[in-house]
Amino acid sequence: GIQVEQSPPDLILQEGANSTLRCNFSDSVNNLQWFHQNPWGQLINLFYIPSGTKQNGRLSATTVATERYSLLYISSSQTTDSGVYFCADLGGSEKLVFGKGTKLTVNP
Amino acid sequence: DAGVTQSPTHLIKTRGQQVTLRCSPKSGHDTVSWYQQALGQGPQFIFQYYEEEERQRGNFPDRFSGHQFPNYSSELNVNALLLGDSALYLCASSLTGALPQYFGPGTRLTVL
Repeated sequence: GIQVEQSPPDLILQEGANSTLRCNFSDSVNNLQWFHQNPWGQLINLFYIPSGTKQNGRLSATTVATERYSLLYISSSQTTDSGVYFCADLGGSEKLVFGKGTKLTVNP
Repeated sequence: DAGVTQSPTHLIKTRGQQVTLRCSPKSGHDTVSWYQQALGQGPQFIFQYYEEEERQRGNFPDRFSGHQFPNYSSELNVNALLLGDSALYLCASSLTGALPQYFGPGTRLTVL
């Protein structure tokens, strides 16, 4: 099945800084989703982005399916952005395959 | 518009016991998927239910079983609990199995 690699595994920022999180896939990207997991464990949908670029406020995402990667941009980070960010793809099956996540800590 | 709900929030069991976790999908959704998330890891797919049938299963033993009811809600049952079953169990719903999937708040299971 598809393998998902996320980088970096950990990221520490000062409030107001920008960041880029990356997902690489071992196979073609078909149905990519980005999630933010808050400290209470809730997985919050950020983007459903099989290809192209989408923006939602300070967050934007770009998926280049042919090159098997996706990027999540966070601008002007806030302490509430802290948590773990996951990308996942269906990989041709009915199940979402997740990466191991990027743990983001935003300090005031 | 009600989102995905799960119950209970937390659960403590001892080895060898059995547990049932419950999930109600987002309004309008008919497909429920279950995931197990160990500490420090990404969620792992357990199985998916659609039209009251198990449609796909991940690499989990038969101790993990499920059910989907006519109202699309679902249960996850785990028998003969092991210490390694301690995890956050997440339920996700979608329409006919397509993306995007929406996740509930999870049930945190501790096996002592």
